[in-house]
Amino acid sequence: DVVMTQTPLSLPVSLGDQASISCRSSQSLVHSNGNTYLHWYLQKPGQSPKLLIYKVSNRFSGVPDRFSGSGSGTDFTLKISRVEAEDLGVYFCSQSTHVPTFGGGTKLEIK
Amino acid sequence: EVKLVESGGGLVQPGGSLRLSCATSGFTFTDYYMSWVRQPPGKALEWLGFIRNKANGYTTEYSASVKGRFTISRDNSQSILYLQMNTLRAEDSATYYCARDTRAMDYWGQGTSVTVSS
Repeated sequence: DVVMTQTPLSLPVSLGDQASISCRSSQSLVHSNGNTYLHWYLQKPGQSPKLLIYKVSNRFSGVPDRFSGSGSGTDFTLKISRVEAEDLGVYFCSQSTHVPTFGGGTKLEIK
Repeated sequence: EVKLVESGGGLVQPGGSLRLSCATSGFTFTDYYMSWVRQPPGKALEWLGFIRNKANGYTTEYSASVKGRFTISRDNSQSILYLQMNTLRAEDSATYYCARDTRAMDYWGQGTSVTVSS
C-alpha cells in the first residue's frame, strides 16, 4: 500500500498566521489517466472528516479561499493563509490513485 | 442536502458479527460509489472498501486487512449502504464512517462506534 507521511504531527499557530502542512507519498500519485488523486480533509473535534481539497488543488464546495493545495508526484502541501479559530482540528491527506490510504494526521492547534 | 447516517454499532464479543447501516438521502444513490472508512480512538483513518455504482455493476473492492471478513452491500431501493462484519477482533474496535466516494470522499456520516471486547 502507498504510505502517506504528514509533517508536522502538531502545528501550533496564532490566529491570523499562515499554516503549512506537508504530505509525502511512498509512490507517485499520478494516475495513468493523468489525474493526481491527492485530497485533504479536516476533522474537527468530535466530528467526522470533511473534504477540503480534492485532486491536489481544487477546493470543495463551501471551502474558504484561504485554503489552498499544491504539489505534484509525491510531494504535496496544504496552506491556510490566515488561520481562524474554526480551522482548528486534525488535517489528513489521502490518496486514491492506488488503493486508498490516509496520512497520520496533523493537529492544528492554538499556540 | 446530502445526508448519511450510520447505525448498528455497539459492543460485540471477539469472534462475533455485526452489521452496520448507512442511510442516505439528498442524492441519486445508484449514481455513486460508496465507501466505508474506520478510525480507532485517537488514530488515523483507514479505508475498508467500496461498492461501485450502477454503471459499474455494484462490484466491490476491499482493503487487505478486512478482505474475507467484511462485506459491503447496498439496498438501492432504499438508498442504504451496509457493512457486514464477521469474525471480529479487538483491533476492529473503531468509529466506522460511510462516505460518498467520488474518488475523493466528499460527504461523510457522523460515524457509529464498534467495540470488540469480552
